[in-house]
Formats: sequence, C-alpha cells, structure tokens
Amino acid sequence: ETGVTQSPTHLIKTRGQQVTLRCSSQSGHNTVSWYQQALGQGPQFIFQYYREEENGRGNFPPRFSGLQFPNYSSELNVNALELDDSALYLCASSFRTQGTGELFFGEGSRLTVL
Amino acid sequence: QQQVKQSPQSLIVQKGGISIINCAYENTAFDYFPWYQQFPGKGPALLIAIRPDVSEKKEGRFTISFNKSAKQFSLHIMDSQPGDSATYFCASYLSGTYKYIFGTGTRLKVLA
Repeated sequence: ETGVTQSPTHLIKTRGQQVTLRCSSQSGHNTVSWYQQALGQGPQFIFQYYREEENGRGNFPPRFSGLQFPNYSSELNVNALELDDSALYLCASSFRTQGTGELFFGEGSRLTVL
Repeated sequence: QQQVKQSPQSLIVQKGGISIINCAYENTAFDYFPWYQQFPGKGPALLIAIRPDVSEKKEGRFTISFNKSAKQFSLHIMDSQPGDSATYFCASYLSGTYKYIFGTGTRLKVLA
C-alpha cells in the first residue's frame, strides 16, 4: 500500500508567477484535501475534492484552485504568487464515509516565493 | 468560533516524565478531536483521537482527556522518550464541513 506522495518537494518561485503542486492519494482513498502550513503554524484548510469536484473551501482567494482526476490524484494551482504564499503545502487523502475520514498526509511541497 | 487554541508553544521534558499539551475550542458543534504528530520534514500523522461522548481515551503511553463543559481537551504523554520529540497539533472537526481546524502546534523536546 503506497502512501500519499507529493511533488515537487521543494520549489522557488518569484512574486507574480504561477505554481502547480501535485498529489497522489493513498490507495483506496477517494478524497483529497489541501492544507497550507506557514512556518511555525498549524495547517490551514484550503479546500477538499471529492468525485472530482471541490466541496469545501477555507478562507483562501480564488487564485488558489485545484483539480481532482479520475484516479483520485490531485493538483493545487496558485496564480499570481505573493510573498505570503511561502509555506509548506500538504496534501491529505481520506476515504469519505458518513463520519470523519482519517487524514493521511503527504510530506508536503515547500514553496518559497521571492 | 472556528479557532482552536493550543498551549504551550514549546515544552521541554526529561526522559520518563509526563508531557501535557492543552487545547481549547469554541464551537460546541465540533464532534471529533484528533491529535497529530509531526517530525521535521514529514507530514502530520494521526496519533490518537476522541469523540465528545467520552471523557478519556488511552492508547499505550498516549492519553486524551476531554472536558466537554470547559470546551478543552489535552494530550498526556506518559514516560516521555527522546523519540517523542516532535511537534504536536490538536485539531477539531465538524462533520459535514470536511475541514479540520488545527491548533498552532507545540514543539516537544524530550531530554535523554
């Protein structure tokens, strides 16, 4: 059973650029959530994808967008990068049930915006 | 009403001692309270979780104490070991919202 994998692990961008982060969910999971973790802070919910649709979003502007593919993998896209977007971006997969779905996190993609 | 406040920010404990981390929440509708452990360079991993219908849950050296009336819950690590040195996050979840609200984290260092 493979866990959640994310790519790239590290990347550096300049302000105004666009970035795409990728996530492969754990085998058997059908839901993907994205979180932003600033240095020294807890993860902040960006959004969740289930059945290839966004169904839940945190307090992030529309320049944060995502996709989920039929194989349940996912992408996070951030346009018009700002310095404050520098953070660790965590992908978490889970299996949607009627109750909670335990989150299984990847190791994250560390984005630095200069 | 969506905040989860975690304390202390950092904690140093001697090997064999008890580590205690506290969290307080505001929204009484939260119905699931997990604790996550994060090592440097890794993603958070679920450690232990509790629902509000019980006051305590124990798994090995890890115990969650839950006080519904005070809207607080805490993690106790008994017989703390150097391998427990990590950052711990409490979280709260409201069924149907699909998002976890995380605390700001506690950096635990266990001295050998």
